[in-house]
Amino acid sequence: AQRVTQPEKLLSVFKGAPVELKCNYSYSGSPELFWYVQYSRQRLQLLLRHISRESIKGFTADLNKGETSFHLKKPFAQEEDSAMYYCALKGSEYGGATNKLIFGTGTLLAVQP
Amino acid sequence: KAGVTQTPRYLIKTRGQQVTLSCSPISGHRSVSWYQQTPGQGLQFLFEYFSETQRNKGNFPGRFSGRQFSNSRSEMNVSTLELGDSALYLCASSFDRGRTGELFFGEGSRLTVL
Repeated sequence: AQRVTQPEKLLSVFKGAPVELKCNYSYSGSPELFWYVQYSRQRLQLLLRHISRESIKGFTADLNKGETSFHLKKPFAQEEDSAMYYCALKGSEYGGATNKLIFGTGTLLAVQP
Repeated sequence: KAGVTQTPRYLIKTRGQQVTLSCSPISGHRSVSWYQQTPGQGLQFLFEYFSETQRNKGNFPGRFSGRQFSNSRSEMNVSTLELGDSALYLCASSFDRGRTGELFFGEGSRLTVL
């Protein structure tokens, strides 16, 4: 079954501390994974996708197929990073075209001054 | 460019009634997806439409239905409302089906069922 697990509901860190938001997935094929973010009073928006191998706002995420993980990391947290972060898996068993995403339950990141 | 627009933003219904929610995608986007967000279940996929055809459906009862029009606007309908249907319903649009994986979300329609 396709599943995304985010074990932490809340992660509280101090400004300047490293951040790691955990995401594990269950998928039988070759997964496509994303991180979406929702800042306070804003819409849910894409942060980054694993196929792009990009760094956005200092965040990176590496797909680890052996551990079935896609953790989101940032070396130095900023107060403006405080938001709800969702890990998502493209929900196509055979890699076909779809916009169906399977979301984790989300982790609220709170960066304290 | 205007974002995804959902109407109404808030609505209150009673059990047994039906509701229709509307979504206007970003201009030029042909794919519309719907998600239900609740505190208990999180974000759950409802349907995906592309070129007026339902391409994918989530694990929801038949009371949940939707459609897409030729201008890519979409509506979803929930009949015989139950208390558990209270949720934020999010619409997301994309130019294509899955090539980029980027969905653009609306602000949602918050449904309360009494």
